[in-house]
Amino acid sequence: DGGITQSPKYLFRKEGQNVTLSCEQNLNHDAMYWYRQDPGQGLRLIYYSQIVNDFQKGDIAEGYSVSREKKESFPLTVTSAQKNPTAFYLCASSIGPSGSNEQFFGPGTRLTVL
Amino acid sequence: GNSVTQMEGPVTLSEEAFLTINCTYTATGYPSLFWYVQYPGEGLQLLLKATKADDKGSNKGFEATYRKETTSFHLEKGSVQVSDSAVYFCALTGGNNRLAFGKGNQVVVIP
Repeated sequence: DGGITQSPKYLFRKEGQNVTLSCEQNLNHDAMYWYRQDPGQGLRLIYYSQIVNDFQKGDIAEGYSVSREKKESFPLTVTSAQKNPTAFYLCASSIGPSGSNEQFFGPGTRLTVL
Repeated sequence: GNSVTQMEGPVTLSEEAFLTINCTYTATGYPSLFWYVQYPGEGLQLLLKATKADDKGSNKGFEATYRKETTSFHLEKGSVQVSDSAVYFCALTGGNNRLAFGKGNQVVVIP
């Protein structure tokens, strides 16, 4: 079955610790995305990558970092510089740059910083 | 820049009622328009899309028509079921190929 996997589903961390969220896809998609979802805020784009070894900042990149060393993987690190990291994080992919292409979403990781 | 506005607040209705969720947009050029659905505790799934003016997207009894003259893409379903309870997001992609989402509407269908 092709799709996007995110792990873990729930993640708890202490304030001041960095944490890395996993995102893997076996759809052979070139483009991958990270979004943050907060209640009543919709989805906001953190980072995106249109091709391996390249990525761009989205609207709320401060306090986050990413890498794209392999086509199928796009991990997101939430650093201690992120002021309010508790949120639901969604990873997505598409065949190419969005345009009319559908984005496929993973099940999400809910991060809680204690 | 590109933006999407959805009607405020949750939508609560009875089974078999008619559902409308309003969506208007601001964009330069000719965006593609989407409706995504999110069931509790899950990621988003594409519900339907339209890529040019007057196109109608449809899926699972839901429909939306791309209206350029009113910059709208309202979602409708003639007879909702309890299983349609979810959060619905309107979205668009414009010249920068990035998806811009509305804030979403929680739909609750009561038996």
